[in-house]
Amino acid sequence: RKEVEQDPGPFNVPEGATVAFNCTYSNSASQSFFWYRQDCRKEPKLLMSVYSSGNEDGRFTAQLNRASQYISLLIRDSKLSDSATYLCVARKSNSGYALNFGKGTSLLVTP
Amino acid sequence: DAGVIQSPRHEVTEMGQEVTLRCKPISGHDYLFWYRQTMMRGLELLIYFNNNVPIDDSGMPEDRFSAKMPNASFSTLKIQPSEPRDSAVYFCASSLDYEQYFGPGTRLTVT
Repeated sequence: RKEVEQDPGPFNVPEGATVAFNCTYSNSASQSFFWYRQDCRKEPKLLMSVYSSGNEDGRFTAQLNRASQYISLLIRDSKLSDSATYLCVARKSNSGYALNFGKGTSLLVTP
Repeated sequence: DAGVIQSPRHEVTEMGQEVTLRCKPISGHDYLFWYRQTMMRGLELLIYFNNNVPIDDSGMPEDRFSAKMPNASFSTLKIQPSEPRDSAVYFCASSLDYEQYFGPGTRLTVT
């Protein structure tokens, strides 16, 4: 069982829709969390960090629930360019900056 | 900055052959990570280095895999002998902190 679990999707949504992804992590000692974005046949890139208090970056909002070991990403007003795979990531505890990646959730935004 | 550079971008080889993947991290980054990505298992951390020293190689699948970092600007991942189940995309990433910058990956096919 992977330490970070995500619904693989795909999520097919129309342009302008709001979509939410969730993931769970199994290691309660994990300290830091992130969302990475990976376009088809490209490398992953950092989208945003996830803070306990929740954080927002434009149309993107990330939230962390430590009690439930649950992380979410909300995308408002979806654009065609948001189509990608979104990887939920937890920093490994006691392991420098090594990261555990979920398998990703696929999003397709359609016209 | 050129970003993380990996070579080759594509490699097709026959079972039993030796494969060497190469990575040049971003200048000044002191962490270097090797990952393998497959549809079945997602993105898996194989090994990482800090200041050229291997810190955690627990993700290396077996003795056929080895990695070196002879200096701050170069690392190799070697598979000898290669097997069809090694077919995957291999990413190298470097970082100063939690934000990892990935190279474009090497797509390895072992026939």
